[in-house]
Amino acid sequence: KAGVTQTPRYLIKTRGQQVTLSCSPISGHRSVSWYQQTPGQGLQFLFEYFSETQRNKGNFPGRFSGRQFSNSRSEMNVSTLELGDSALYLCASSFSSYNSPLHFGNGTRLTVT
Amino acid sequence: KNEVEQSPQNLTAQEGEFITINCSYSVGISALHWLQQHPGGGIVSLFMLSSGKKKHGRLIATINIQEKHSSLHITASHPRDSAVYICAVSGSGGGADGLTFGKGTHLIIQP
Repeated sequence: KAGVTQTPRYLIKTRGQQVTLSCSPISGHRSVSWYQQTPGQGLQFLFEYFSETQRNKGNFPGRFSGRQFSNSRSEMNVSTLELGDSALYLCASSFSSYNSPLHFGNGTRLTVT
Repeated sequence: KNEVEQSPQNLTAQEGEFITINCSYSVGISALHWLQQHPGGGIVSLFMLSSGKKKHGRLIATINIQEKHSSLHITASHPRDSAVYICAVSGSGGGADGLTFGKGTHLIIQP
């Protein structure tokens, strides 16, 4: 069974630009959640999607958005990039919710210059 | 908002030692996850607990719901166990309020 796939692995963007990251979950998993990891703040929850609906959102500004498609693949978008958005962005899929085991992708490392 | 505290922050031990990492949280939860992250960033889910105890190979995880505390134990530790171990909890609202993470425990096992 293929694991969670995140693309791209690395990305370099300039302040003010926007970026779209992609996450393909394990087949059969309907929940996809996104996380930001920085050295200062550690891992923080961004949002979770289930059956194309955002179920919950963390404490991030509106520049961070996402969506989920009918095949459960998910994208997250960050607009008007800031230097502080440089981070490792991880997604995880699970069968139903956080009450089932999570499977993480390898992440996308975003650098904003 | 749940506060998740892990201890110790850093731990260096010799190969073969018994390792314990602790996690405490402030508000009732529906599930607790133990995660392992190696250099390079990849995260592996080790356990998901809502009560009791689970064992997988040399790893054991326990949770005490009343005391809001969980422990991760590694028996017969090995250098390949060197990694960051992260505790994460989901709220009692059916998991619809996201995950809250601890800061992680940096474990180094020396040969």
